[in-house]
Amino acid sequence: NAGVMQNPRHLVRRRGQEARLRCSPMKGHSHVYWYRQLPEEGLKFMVYLQKENIIDESGMPKERFSAEFPKEGPSILRIQQVVRGDSAAYFCASSRELLTATNEKLFFGSGTQLSVL
Amino acid sequence: SQELEQSPQSLIVQEGKNLTINCTSSKTLYGLYWYKQKYGEGLIFLMMLQKGGEEKSHEKITAKLDEKKQQSSLHITASQPSHAGIYLCGAVDRNSGYSTLTFGKGTMLLVSP
Repeated sequence: NAGVMQNPRHLVRRRGQEARLRCSPMKGHSHVYWYRQLPEEGLKFMVYLQKENIIDESGMPKERFSAEFPKEGPSILRIQQVVRGDSAAYFCASSRELLTATNEKLFFGSGTQLSVL
Repeated sequence: SQELEQSPQSLIVQEGKNLTINCTSSKTLYGLYWYKQKYGEGLIFLMMLQKGGEEKSHEKITAKLDEKKQQSSLHITASQPSHAGIYLCGAVDRNSGYSTLTFGKGTMLLVSP
């Protein structure tokens, strides 16, 4: 039973290019969460999606960032026109049910390290 | 959303020593998760606490949620090099119909031989 799979593990982009980060949740999980981690800021919530729907995007920057979780295929975090400040580790997590369910927890992927030159 | 403060920010202990990491919230904690992260990797679930006064243990790690449900502690007994890493506490943020997790900044633990 594979865990949460993220790819690529490392992504290098030049300023102005687009970055696409992929996340395949654990089998049977329909809830996906994206987080960004910066050394001095810790792990920050970005967006929560449930199949085909964005539930909470309160942590997403208003511009250049978007996320989707289509009916088929992985969840995608897309960053357009990247800038150096976007350099960070991006983590995806998944859960089977809502976190309010008893004993429910998040399972994390290994992350994608984005470096913007 | 919840704001969590972890202390200490970093910690170096000698192998075999005990240690405690704290996680404090200004709001009531409806659920508190502890995760461990090794450098360059994802987070590994350790324990989840939901009830005030609850205490859980796994191997040499014990986590508690205080009665007032605003603080949690993680205690490691007889630390080993394998315990080294970043420990993060995460609190449930309740919204209308769903919840997300907000994390503290983490405590970096180094265990010296």
